[in-house]
Amino acid sequence: EAGVTQFPSHSVIEKGQTVTLRCDPISGHDNLYWYRRVMGKEIKFLLHFVKESKQDESGMPNNRFLAERTGGTYSTLKVQPAELEDSGVYFCASSPFGTDTQYFGPGTRLTVL
Amino acid sequence: GQNIDQPTEMTATEGAIVQINCTYQTSGFNGLFWYQQHAGEAPTFLSYNVLDGLEEKGRFSSFLSRSKGYSYLLLKELQMKDSASYLCAVLPNRDDKIIFGKGTRLHILP
Repeated sequence: EAGVTQFPSHSVIEKGQTVTLRCDPISGHDNLYWYRRVMGKEIKFLLHFVKESKQDESGMPNNRFLAERTGGTYSTLKVQPAELEDSGVYFCASSPFGTDTQYFGPGTRLTVL
Repeated sequence: GQNIDQPTEMTATEGAIVQINCTYQTSGFNGLFWYQQHAGEAPTFLSYNVLDGLEEKGRFSSFLSRSKGYSYLLLKELQMKDSASYLCAVLPNRDDKIIFGKGTRLHILP
Protein backbone atom coordinates (compact mmCIF):
# COMPACT_ATOMS: atom_id res chain seq x y z
CA GLU A 1 0.00 0.00 0.00
CA ALA A 2 1.38 3.40 -0.98
CA GLY A 3 1.99 5.81 1.85
CA VAL A 4 1.26 9.51 2.09
CA THR A 5 3.11 11.40 -0.61
CA GLN A 6 3.94 15.07 -0.82
CA PHE A 7 5.17 17.28 -3.62
CA PRO A 8 7.56 18.98 -3.95
CA SER A 9 10.09 17.68 -1.47
CA HIS A 10 11.84 21.04 -1.42
CA SER A 11 10.86 24.52 -2.52
CA VAL A 12 12.94 27.69 -2.41
CA ILE A 13 11.10 30.91 -3.21
CA GLU A 14 11.52 34.60 -2.65
CA LYS A 15 9.45 36.64 -0.26
CA GLY A 16 6.25 37.75 -1.92
CA GLN A 17 6.00 34.79 -4.28
CA THR A 18 3.37 32.10 -4.23
CA VAL A 19 3.90 28.42 -3.53
CA THR A 20 1.51 25.49 -3.67
CA LEU A 21 2.19 22.29 -1.79
CA ARG A 22 0.43 19.07 -2.60
CA CYS A 23 -0.45 16.07 -0.47
CA ASP A 24 -1.80 12.72 -1.63
CA PRO A 25 -3.14 10.77 1.34
CA ILE A 26 -3.37 7.02 1.62
CA SER A 27 -6.25 5.85 -0.55
CA GLY A 28 -9.51 5.66 1.35
CA HIS A 29 -8.41 7.86 4.24
CA ASP A 30 -11.10 10.43 4.92
CA ASN A 31 -9.04 12.40 7.45
CA LEU A 32 -6.28 14.60 6.07
CA TYR A 33 -4.17 16.86 8.26
CA TRP A 34 -1.60 19.55 7.54
CA TYR A 35 1.14 20.26 10.07
CA ARG A 36 4.18 22.49 10.03
CA ARG A 37 7.53 22.45 11.79
CA VAL A 38 9.52 25.64 11.92
CA MET A 39 13.19 25.63 12.93
CA GLY A 40 13.71 24.71 16.56
CA LYS A 41 10.03 24.24 17.30
CA GLU A 42 7.67 21.32 17.57
CA ILE A 43 5.43 20.07 14.78
CA LYS A 44 2.23 22.12 14.95
CA PHE A 45 -1.21 21.53 13.54
CA LEU A 46 -2.49 23.70 10.71
CA LEU A 47 -5.80 22.21 9.62
CA HIS A 48 -7.90 19.09 9.26
CA PHE A 49 -10.12 17.90 6.43
CA VAL A 50 -12.75 15.22 6.64
CA LYS A 51 -13.24 14.27 3.03
CA GLU A 52 -13.59 17.61 1.25
CA SER A 53 -14.80 19.57 4.28
CA LYS A 54 -12.62 21.64 6.59
CA GLN A 55 -13.19 20.19 10.03
CA ASP A 56 -10.76 22.40 11.93
CA GLU A 57 -8.59 25.22 10.59
CA SER A 58 -7.71 26.75 13.93
CA GLY A 59 -3.99 26.28 13.33
CA MET A 60 -3.80 28.28 10.11
CA PRO A 61 -1.47 31.21 10.82
CA ASN A 62 -3.27 33.85 8.74
CA ASN A 63 -5.22 34.40 5.54
CA ARG A 64 -2.13 34.05 3.38
CA PHE A 65 -2.60 30.30 3.74
CA LEU A 66 -5.33 28.56 1.74
CA ALA A 67 -5.98 24.84 1.80
CA GLU A 68 -8.27 22.89 -0.46
CA ARG A 69 -9.30 19.29 -0.88
CA THR A 70 -11.59 19.23 -3.85
CA GLY A 71 -13.19 15.83 -4.38
CA GLY A 72 -11.94 14.61 -1.03
CA THR A 73 -8.78 13.05 -2.39
CA TYR A 74 -5.55 15.05 -2.64
CA SER A 75 -5.10 18.38 -0.92
CA THR A 76 -3.20 21.54 -1.74
CA LEU A 77 -1.85 24.20 0.58
CA LYS A 78 -1.14 27.55 -1.03
CA VAL A 79 0.90 30.30 0.57
CA GLN A 80 0.36 33.69 -1.06
CA PRO A 81 2.32 35.89 -0.66
CA ALA A 82 5.04 34.00 1.17
CA GLU A 83 6.89 35.64 4.05
CA LEU A 84 10.23 34.75 5.64
CA GLU A 85 8.55 33.26 8.72
CA ASP A 86 6.71 30.73 6.55
CA SER A 87 9.93 28.76 6.11
CA GLY A 88 9.77 25.29 7.60
CA VAL A 89 8.77 21.73 6.86
CA TYR A 90 5.14 21.16 5.97
CA PHE A 91 3.84 17.69 6.76
CA CYS A 92 0.67 16.02 5.65
CA ALA A 93 -0.89 13.10 7.49
CA SER A 94 -3.94 10.93 6.87
CA SER A 95 -6.04 8.42 8.72
CA PRO A 96 -9.26 6.48 8.21
CA PHE A 97 -12.20 8.15 9.93
CA GLY A 98 -12.85 6.72 13.39
CA THR A 99 -9.27 5.61 13.97
CA ASP A 100 -6.44 7.22 15.90
CA THR A 101 -3.17 6.55 14.11
CA GLN A 102 -2.13 9.22 11.63
CA TYR A 103 0.34 8.33 8.87
CA PHE A 104 2.73 11.05 7.84
CA GLY A 105 4.22 12.01 4.54
CA PRO A 106 7.89 12.96 4.15
CA GLY A 107 7.14 16.66 4.20
CA THR A 108 7.89 19.61 1.96
CA ARG A 109 10.79 21.78 3.07
CA LEU A 110 9.89 25.37 2.22
CA THR A 111 12.56 28.05 2.28
CA VAL A 112 11.52 31.67 1.79
CA LEU A 113 14.40 34.02 1.00
CA GLY B 1 -2.88 24.81 27.77
CA GLN B 2 -1.14 22.05 25.87
CA ASN B 3 2.39 21.10 26.85
CA ILE B 4 4.55 18.10 26.08
CA ASP B 5 8.09 17.88 27.46
CA GLN B 6 10.88 15.55 26.46
CA PRO B 7 14.67 15.85 26.57
CA THR B 8 16.23 17.63 23.63
CA GLU B 9 19.10 15.22 23.07
CA MET B 10 20.39 11.92 24.39
CA THR B 11 23.43 9.81 23.63
CA ALA B 12 23.79 6.07 24.06
CA THR B 13 26.11 3.29 22.99
CA GLU B 14 25.43 0.63 20.40
CA GLY B 15 24.04 -2.49 22.06
CA ALA B 16 22.89 -0.64 25.17
CA ILE B 17 19.43 0.36 26.43
CA VAL B 18 18.03 3.88 26.49
CA GLN B 19 14.83 5.30 27.97
CA ILE B 20 13.31 8.49 26.57
CA ASN B 21 10.89 10.17 28.95
CA CYS B 22 7.90 12.33 28.09
CA THR B 23 5.54 14.29 30.32
CA TYR B 24 2.37 15.88 29.06
CA GLN B 25 -0.41 18.26 30.07
CA THR B 26 -3.23 18.43 27.55
CA SER B 27 -6.85 19.48 27.57
CA GLY B 28 -7.97 15.97 26.63
CA PHE B 29 -6.43 12.55 26.32
CA ASN B 30 -7.30 9.77 23.91
CA GLY B 31 -3.85 8.24 23.57
CA LEU B 32 -0.12 8.86 23.30
CA PHE B 33 2.06 8.23 20.27
CA TRP B 34 5.74 7.72 19.78
CA TYR B 35 7.05 8.44 16.30
CA GLN B 36 10.55 7.97 14.94
CA GLN B 37 11.89 10.50 12.47
CA HIS B 38 15.13 10.25 10.53
CA ALA B 39 16.44 13.51 9.11
CA GLY B 40 14.52 14.55 6.01
CA GLU B 41 12.04 11.71 6.26
CA ALA B 42 8.47 11.22 7.42
CA PRO B 43 7.71 10.60 11.08
CA THR B 44 7.03 6.88 11.26
CA PHE B 45 4.68 5.30 13.74
CA LEU B 46 6.27 3.34 16.58
CA SER B 47 3.60 2.92 19.24
CA TYR B 48 0.28 4.12 20.54
CA ASN B 49 -0.70 3.77 24.21
CA VAL B 50 -4.28 4.28 25.31
CA LEU B 51 -4.29 2.44 28.64
CA ASP B 52 -1.78 2.45 31.50
CA GLY B 53 1.05 0.00 31.36
CA LEU B 54 3.85 -1.27 29.22
CA GLU B 55 3.49 -2.36 25.61
CA GLU B 56 6.36 -4.24 24.04
CA LYS B 57 7.05 -4.47 20.35
CA GLY B 58 10.34 -6.11 19.51
CA ARG B 59 13.26 -3.99 20.68
CA PHE B 60 10.95 -1.06 21.46
CA SER B 61 8.61 -0.74 24.44
CA SER B 62 6.37 2.14 25.45
CA PHE B 63 4.94 2.85 28.88
CA LEU B 64 2.06 5.09 29.90
CA SER B 65 0.79 6.42 33.22
CA ARG B 66 -2.27 8.58 32.63
CA SER B 67 -2.56 9.66 36.27
CA LYS B 68 1.00 11.00 36.18
CA GLY B 69 0.87 12.40 32.65
CA TYR B 70 3.97 10.39 31.88
CA SER B 71 5.27 8.08 29.21
CA TYR B 72 8.58 6.59 28.20
CA LEU B 73 9.98 4.86 25.16
CA LEU B 74 12.49 2.12 25.88
CA LEU B 75 14.88 1.04 23.17
CA LYS B 76 16.91 -2.13 23.72
CA GLU B 77 19.92 -3.56 21.91
CA LEU B 78 20.56 -0.24 20.27
CA GLN B 79 21.69 -0.21 16.66
CA MET B 80 23.32 2.58 14.70
CA LYS B 81 20.17 2.91 12.60
CA ASP B 82 18.28 3.92 15.75
CA SER B 83 19.98 7.31 15.55
CA ALA B 84 16.98 9.56 14.91
CA SER B 85 14.57 11.95 16.53
CA TYR B 86 11.84 10.43 18.69
CA LEU B 87 8.62 12.38 18.92
CA CYS B 88 6.21 12.09 21.82
CA ALA B 89 2.73 13.17 20.81
CA VAL B 90 -0.75 13.19 22.35
CA LEU B 91 -4.10 12.74 20.62
CA PRO B 92 -6.57 14.66 22.78
CA ASN B 93 -9.63 13.38 20.94
CA ARG B 94 -10.29 10.83 18.19
CA ASP B 95 -10.32 12.28 14.67
CA ASP B 96 -8.53 15.33 16.00
CA LYS B 97 -5.15 17.00 15.67
CA ILE B 98 -2.06 15.52 17.35
CA ILE B 99 -0.11 17.64 19.83
CA PHE B 100 3.64 17.08 19.49
CA GLY B 101 6.62 17.52 21.75
CA LYS B 102 9.77 18.99 20.28
CA GLY B 103 11.36 15.59 19.92
CA THR B 104 14.42 13.92 21.39
CA ARG B 105 17.44 13.57 19.14
CA LEU B 106 19.11 10.27 19.95
CA HIS B 107 22.77 9.77 19.04
CA ILE B 108 24.16 6.24 18.99
CA LEU B 109 27.89 5.83 19.47
CA PRO B 110 29.74 2.74 18.23
